[in-house]
Amino acid sequence: DQQVKQNSPSLSVQEGRISILNCDYTNSMFDYFLWYKKYPAEGPTFLISISSIKDKNEDGRFTVFLNKSAKHLSLHIVPSQPGDSAVYFCAASAGRAGSYQLTFGKGTKLSVIP
Amino acid sequence: DAGITQSPRHKVTETGTPVTLRCHQTENHRYMYWYRQDPGHGLRLIHYSYGVKDTDKGEVSDGYSVSRSKTEDFLLTLESATSSQTSVYFCAISESGRATNTEAFFGQGTRLTVV
Repeated sequence: DQQVKQNSPSLSVQEGRISILNCDYTNSMFDYFLWYKKYPAEGPTFLISISSIKDKNEDGRFTVFLNKSAKHLSLHIVPSQPGDSAVYFCAASAGRAGSYQLTFGKGTKLSVIP
Repeated sequence: DAGITQSPRHKVTETGTPVTLRCHQTENHRYMYWYRQDPGHGLRLIHYSYGVKDTDKGEVSDGYSVSRSKTEDFLLTLESATSSQTSVYFCAISESGRATNTEAFFGQGTRLTVV
């Protein structure tokens, strides 16, 4: 039973346009959500996060939106750059103290075409 | 970059042999984690540690054991490797045990192939 779902395995976007990566979750106990970016042969790196008490968080070109009623979040990248080409993982935490237990989605491979 | 080193980076082993993967950190972070990444599954938590000699199971702990005798080292052992344990293994560290307080930093991964 997959609690965090990224239904699009891949996404191609032209350079300069907006990239929208989507993520759905089923566990109502999740209260913190994160996006990680991963290049080939490297470990994931933290990109941006959002608490369940907010509906938007912005950091430069990256914005994450959270719709709690729909159990849906999205990552917007504007403008998209070729260096953004990577696999993006959505992750969620139930906020239990003492364990940083993240539940990850399967990832979406973003290709930004110059 | 956070000081995390995984060794070895690549390993091929035979079914039934024991294998130990090492994660070494220089950040003095309290929490350490082992994840595995498989096609179609994203990353899944195997075991984690919240201090020296303090460990607990994650989502996919069967067939794995861990040990942490020093703050800086977290070992993952496959007692008798199976083909289903062919995967890429990532170590991660965090200063806090709560995702809301800090981010987790990941190592570069170990690609393990069990033949």
